Amino acid sequence: QQQVKQSPQSLIVQKGGISIINCAYENTAFDYFPWYQQFPGKGPALLIAIRPDVSEKKEGRFTISFNKSAKQFSLHIMDSQPGDSATYFCAASMDGQNFVFGPGTRLSVLP
Amino acid sequence: EAQVTQNPRYLITVTGKKLTVTCSQNMNHEYMSWYRQDPGLGLRQIYYSMNVEVTDKGDVPEGYKVSRKEKRNFPLILESPSPNQTSLYFCASSLGRGTYEQYFGPGTRLTVT
Repeated sequence: QQQVKQSPQSLIVQKGGISIINCAYENTAFDYFPWYQQFPGKGPALLIAIRPDVSEKKEGRFTISFNKSAKQFSLHIMDSQPGDSATYFCAASMDGQNFVFGPGTRLSVLP
Repeated sequence: EAQVTQNPRYLITVTGKKLTVTCSQNMNHEYMSWYRQDPGLGLRQIYYSMNVEVTDKGDVPEGYKVSRKEKRNFPLILESPSPNQTSLYFCASSLGRGTYEQYFGPGTRLTVT
């Protein structure tokens, strides 16, 4: 019930391509769905987040698509750049207290 | 500079020797939380605190203690560390009160032998 599944485990994309990472959850009480970006040796940093009352949110090259009925959400990175190479985590939370994270996706963008 | 700080950044200790990892934030945030990160498991929440003197268990609280006596500090205590607590630990904070954006510290790599 508390688990958040994330795929793929790793992803290799050419520069300029689209990177897509998918997540799925079970608990319909979750009301906040953030994506975090983590570079080696650093703490995670919030990239973009969405609430379940909207189906899509875009910030620059990053877009979250949210499907409430399927209990799935995804991160799309347009025009992927080598500097986007990092590990990405999806997460879900109820009331901003208890957070459940996916296992992470290691993205490599080839120059 | 607004930040979350953790100390120490690296720690090697032996089984059973009590240790404390400190976490401090200078953003006047109400919410603070501790996570451990293990390969293939992502981040798992250990404890969180909605405000001073208010703490709650996360998904993996066994073997850990926390306290929140001041708003800016949220130490993580391992009373009797074991090798399965070898991990990368992160502290995070957020404003709270409906604002959920978390700011993470730089991490503490703990090895228990």
